[in-house]
Amino acid sequence: SFELTQSPSVSVSPGQTASITCSGDELGDKYVCWYQQKPGQSPVLVIYQDSKRPSGIPERFSGSNSGNTATLTISGTRAMDEADYFCQAWDSSTASYVFGTGTRVTVL
Amino acid sequence: EVQLVESGGGLVQPGGSLRLSCAASGFTFSSYAMHWVRQAPGKGLEWVAYISSGSSTIYYAGSVKGRFIISRDNAKNSLYLQMNGLRAEDTAVYYCAREPSIAARPQFDYWGQGTLVTVSS
Repeated sequence: SFELTQSPSVSVSPGQTASITCSGDELGDKYVCWYQQKPGQSPVLVIYQDSKRPSGIPERFSGSNSGNTATLTISGTRAMDEADYFCQAWDSSTASYVFGTGTRVTVL
Repeated sequence: EVQLVESGGGLVQPGGSLRLSCAASGFTFSSYAMHWVRQAPGKGLEWVAYISSGSSTIYYAGSVKGRFIISRDNAKNSLYLQMNGLRAEDTAVYYCAREPSIAARPQFDYWGQGTLVTVSS
C-alpha cells in the first residue's frame, strides 16, 4: 500500500528556516497538501496542490514536490509555528487519501 | 462562516455500534465532497471515509471497510458515519472535513472540532 513517511521531529531556532520532508513512491506525480495541528486543535490546511497557500496562511509557509519527496518550508519560523505537521496525498490506485506519519516542529 | 460540528461520540463496548453526525453550515453543503478522518490519542491522522457531493461515489479506508458506512443528507446539511463492530483500535477523535475540489485532491479546507469515540469494556 502507498505510504508517506515523515521524520518524527524537527527543531528550529526562531527566525530560522524549518524544512519538513514527506517521502513516498513517485510522490512527485501526485498532488501533496500539508496540515498544521496545534495541541488540542483541529488540523489547518497550510499548503495544497504542492505549493499553493490558502487564504490567511502566512507567506513564510511554502511547499514543493518532486521525485519521491515533498517539502514544507517555514521561513523565518516563529514560536506560533510550533505544531505537528502532516502531509497528505491521494492514491488513485487504491482510492485512498493517505496521511504522512507527522512531524513535530519545535521552536527552541 | 463555514462551520462543521460533529456529535454522537461516546463510550461504547467492543462489538457495539455508534452513529456520528456532522452538521454543516455557512456554505452550500450539497456542492462539496466530505470526509471523516480520525486521530487516535497521541497518534497521527488517519483518513476514514469519503462521500461525493451527491453520494454517488464512496470510498473507505481498508481498516474500516465492511464495518463503517458513510452517508449524507443534503436536505439536512448533514454528514453521518455509522460505525458497527467497533474495536478498541477504533478509539479516536473523529473529525468531519470538507474537500473543495476533487480535481486537485487532496485538500481538506475546513475541519470540525471532532468528537471522541472510546471503545472499551
